[in-house]
Amino acid sequence: QLVLTQSPSASAPLGASVKLTCTLSSGHNTYGIAWHQQQPGKGPRYLMKLNSDGSHSKGDGIPDRFSGSSSGAERYLTISSLQAEDEADYYCQTWDTDILFGGGTKLTVV
Amino acid sequence: EVELLESGGGLVQPGGSLRLSCAASGFTFSRYVMSWVRQAPGKGLEWVSSITGRDGTTFYADSVKGRFTISRDNSKNTLFLQMNNLRAEDTAIYYCAKDGHYGSGSPFYFDSWGQGTLVTVSS
Repeated sequence: QLVLTQSPSASAPLGASVKLTCTLSSGHNTYGIAWHQQQPGKGPRYLMKLNSDGSHSKGDGIPDRFSGSSSGAERYLTISSLQAEDEADYYCQTWDTDILFGGGTKLTVV
Repeated sequence: EVELLESGGGLVQPGGSLRLSCAASGFTFSRYVMSWVRQAPGKGLEWVSSITGRDGTTFYADSVKGRFTISRDNSKNTLFLQMNNLRAEDTAIYYCAKDGHYGSGSPFYFDSWGQGTLVTVSS
């Protein structure tokens, strides 16, 4: 069964870098995903589509500080030079017979 | 610029019905899969339903199958979600989302989102 697993929370200092992880369930390590950001009180925002080989295509206006990478069943979102507005929930999402979301990671910028 | 504007949310009693709309602009609406995604209070994102661009093939989450109907009017660039037999657990913000693949025959990922409309099911 296809499942996306995310850590519920993460934190990092202002100006630092953070790497968020989305793990695909066993047998699904060739799947691509998408990353979405949801700032407090707002609708989701598409960040990027991330393929199993690490190639990715970002949404319009997404800063270069956001990048994606892959390793096996892991899909990563790295945010560098953290800013206050990066404090948000981050969701990974994939597709099979249905659409599936991970549980989300709440990122706190300290 | 892609714009998605949802409307039609509100307070409804359990067992009642509601019809959501999503007005789209800024892209060739008829060539994209469109979807509804919801978020219950304090919870994560949950896919609800999708519909393909030209032949109108539909897809539903098990939680809404048989109760919700997705449709679209390509002449008016509008997406709909008819929700019947509503339950308390359907309470959520409902988002309209555009697929990232041009001309796809099934949903893949969402590259544009609306701001959402709140549906509250309560007596």
